[in-house]
Amino acid sequence: ILNVEQSPQSLHVQEGDSTNFTCSFPSSNFYALHWYRWETAKSPEALFVMTLNGDEKKKGRISATLNTKEGYSYLYIKGSQPEDSATYLCASLIYNQGGKLIFGQGTELSVKP
Amino acid sequence: DAGITQSPRHKVTETGTPVTLRCHQTENHRYMYWYRQDPGHGLRLIHYSYGVKDTDKGEVSDGYSVSRSKTEDFLLTLESATSSQTSVYFCAISREMGTDTQYFGPGTRLTVL
Repeated sequence: ILNVEQSPQSLHVQEGDSTNFTCSFPSSNFYALHWYRWETAKSPEALFVMTLNGDEKKKGRISATLNTKEGYSYLYIKGSQPEDSATYLCASLIYNQGGKLIFGQGTELSVKP
Repeated sequence: DAGITQSPRHKVTETGTPVTLRCHQTENHRYMYWYRQDPGHGLRLIHYSYGVKDTDKGEVSDGYSVSRSKTEDFLLTLESATSSQTSVYFCAISREMGTDTQYFGPGTRLTVL
């Protein structure tokens, strides 16, 4: 099984700060990259699915970029709010893994008022 | 919200007993998945299904079996539960595999004593 790595593991910021975290994945046989937002005691919710090198997606204050050649994706949150506190998961689909998503361990974001 | 339910939501059982978890969807999605979530491991795929009676193994399938006799139901069975199977189990569904968003159920917390 190929690894998907996320950094940092946890992040504590103040309300209003902008923040970003990284997802690293194997670049060979890349097929798709997913981002999910996971609040405590809830289920993961989809943010983005990205497939093309150079792809950029945006949803409100959250955006993501994708570099398939070097195997990384960045997730950005502009002007963090306390309600952004959650664990952010990325998952990579490698073509020769039978179409199965491999999840990273997540970045836990805490935004203090 | 995607129509996905899991039952039971909480279960405590003893080592050596059989346990079956149920995932039910009302979205008519072709693909269904079972994941387990453990601290430090993120989400790990146990088994998935790509149609009625069509299933395949995931990353951590040992000790688990699945069945899908109807599009809407995907069952996960622990034939003889062990303490290492104490975890939170999530079901997910998607229309297509890999490039389509996965929608997650509310989770089942299983404790094996």
